[in-house]
Amino acid sequence: DQQVKQNSPSLSVQEGRISILNCDYTNSMFDYFLWYKKYPAEGPTFLISISSIKDKNEDGRFTVFLNKSAKHLSLHIVPSQPGDSAVYFCAASAKEGYGGSQGNLIFGKGTKLSVKP
Amino acid sequence: GEEVAQTPKHLVRGEGQKAKLYCAPIKGHSYVFWYQQVLKNEFKFLISFQNENVFDETGMPKERFSAKCLPNSPCSLEIQATKLEDSAVYFCASSQSTVISGNTIYFGEGSWLTVV
Repeated sequence: DQQVKQNSPSLSVQEGRISILNCDYTNSMFDYFLWYKKYPAEGPTFLISISSIKDKNEDGRFTVFLNKSAKHLSLHIVPSQPGDSAVYFCAASAKEGYGGSQGNLIFGKGTKLSVKP
Repeated sequence: GEEVAQTPKHLVRGEGQKAKLYCAPIKGHSYVFWYQQVLKNEFKFLISFQNENVFDETGMPKERFSAKCLPNSPCSLEIQATKLEDSAVYFCASSQSTVISGNTIYFGEGSWLTVV
């Protein structure tokens, strides 16, 4: 059973508009969340993260929102640029001492973002 | 180094042959992770090390897969008697400390294993 879900396999957005990528999780022991961006034939690149003690983290054009009660997080990219076109992966990490998963990231299946000029 | 270095980038093996992949973590990072990505699906955690000690091996297949991180050597992931289903991209990653400490895991570019 998938613990981290990205239900939209793809998203297409016009340049300059907002991109919103969504991620849901089922495990209440997750307390740290990361977003990675991946271009074809490259490794995932870290984008932004958020701890469960926060509900928002912002870095330039990227903002991550966390709604713990809904077990939902989202990544907002404003304004979107063609260079943002990539696959975005949501990942989560569990609390220390949980099932040996410390430091181990659980990934979603990714959302392919296309930003059109 | 400043990045996670993985070799080889591509590896083709016949079924039943051995495959060995290497990873040099970022200098100063004491945690190393191996992930498997099959057919562009989600990343599957395999194993992690804290320095040369296995930290978490809950994702490692019981048979045919082994990994090591020895002092002053690249870490390695070895697959004995490869099967077609082992065809995947194997990503190595490293971090200064555990993710829950607020540290980020940095990934290499991956090693593409094709078993024919």
